[in-house]
Order: sequence, then structure tokens, then C-alpha cells
Amino acid sequence: RKEVEQDPGPFNVPEGATVAFNCTYSNSASQSFFWYRQDCRKEPKLLMSVYSSGNEDGRFTAQLNRASQYISLLIRDSKLSDSATYLCVVSGGDMRFGAGTRLTVKP
Amino acid sequence: EAGVVQSPRYKIIEKKQPVAFWCNPISGHNTLYWYRQNLGQGPELLIRYENEEAVDDSQLPKDRFSAERLKGVDSTLKIQPAELGDSAVYLCASSSPAGFEQYFGPGTRLTVT
Repeated sequence: RKEVEQDPGPFNVPEGATVAFNCTYSNSASQSFFWYRQDCRKEPKLLMSVYSSGNEDGRFTAQLNRASQYISLLIRDSKLSDSATYLCVVSGGDMRFGAGTRLTVKP
Repeated sequence: EAGVVQSPRYKIIEKKQPVAFWCNPISGHNTLYWYRQNLGQGPELLIRYENEEAVDDSQLPKDRFSAERLKGVDSTLKIQPAELGDSAVYLCASSSPAGFEQYFGPGTRLTVT
């Protein structure tokens, strides 16, 4: 079993749609959680950290459920520019990346 | 502020040849990471340095891969000899002592033929 597992995708949604990505992790000792964004043939970049109480950054909302070892990312009012691969990242010392979920937002 | 610099950006070599990748982290970042990313997968950690010390190299295939970070700044990752399965993007990242965010370089895309 992989340490970090994500929805396989791809997700193809129209502009303005709301889309949610899920992620589960196996290491219960994990302490830090993140979502990274990676555009095609580019390097990953931090999108947002994920806090226990949940957190929001504009159209993006991240949730963490430690009991279920589950992380989510919600994107509201999706834009064409949101098209990318979203990587779930879990750290218990070293960072472990999920395989990513590819999102395509269409006009 | 300059980001993480990597070179070369692209490299094509024949199997059994050696290859080296270079990384210059963001100034002041004492932690440096090398990752390998295969197509359709997330980055996989190969080695992590704290200053000049390799603190986690458990995922580095030591029979053919080596890395160094002399003086705790620039780093070099070497593969000798390369195999077909080594074709991937090799990413370097760095982070500061106070922060957790990792900043990635543009990567080196290696093709082994």
C-alpha cells in the first residue's frame, strides 16, 4: 500500500464548477499536511498547508481528519487557470507525495 | 530572489553512461532535497541534506547513485552507470531552517536510451 493515496482522476469540469479531491495516508504519526500544485512539465509549488481545524484560502478549502487519516481539497468556482495536477503531501519528518490528481477546467 | 537553480534542464544519454546533475539552492536554505519523479507519479525522495550532512538517503540506490553537498551549498547527484529505468525528472528542492515549505527547481529531464 502506498503511503499517500489520491483519487486517480482525471477530473474534467466546466468553469465555475466545484470540485473536491481526496487523499488518504497510512502513517498515523504524520504531523504536517500540504497540497501542492504542479503544472504540466513544471515543478511542484505549494498551494496551501492543511490545518487540523480546516483552512480556507480564497476559493480553496482544505480539511484534515486525523482519525480517518484523510485530507481533502475543495475548489469552488473553478477557473481555467486551475487546470493542473494537485499533489497531496504528508510529512512525518520527510515529505511523501501522492501520485497527484489531474484537473482540467474547460470553458 | 533567485529560486532553486538546476542544470542541465535536459539530458539524453545512452545506457551504461554516467550522468551528473547540479543544484544550487535558495540562499540561506540549509536543507536540500533530491527527488525523482516518474511520469504520472509524485516526486519520490532520494536524499535529504541538512547543511553538508546527508540525514536521509534510505531511498537512494547506492549501487549506482551518489550525491554530495560540499560546503553545504551546491549539490551534485550522479548516476553511474545509467539504466533505462532511470529515465525520469530529477528535482532538487530546498527549505529554510525556520520554514517547512519546500521550493523546487525546474528539474532535469533525463532520458536514457
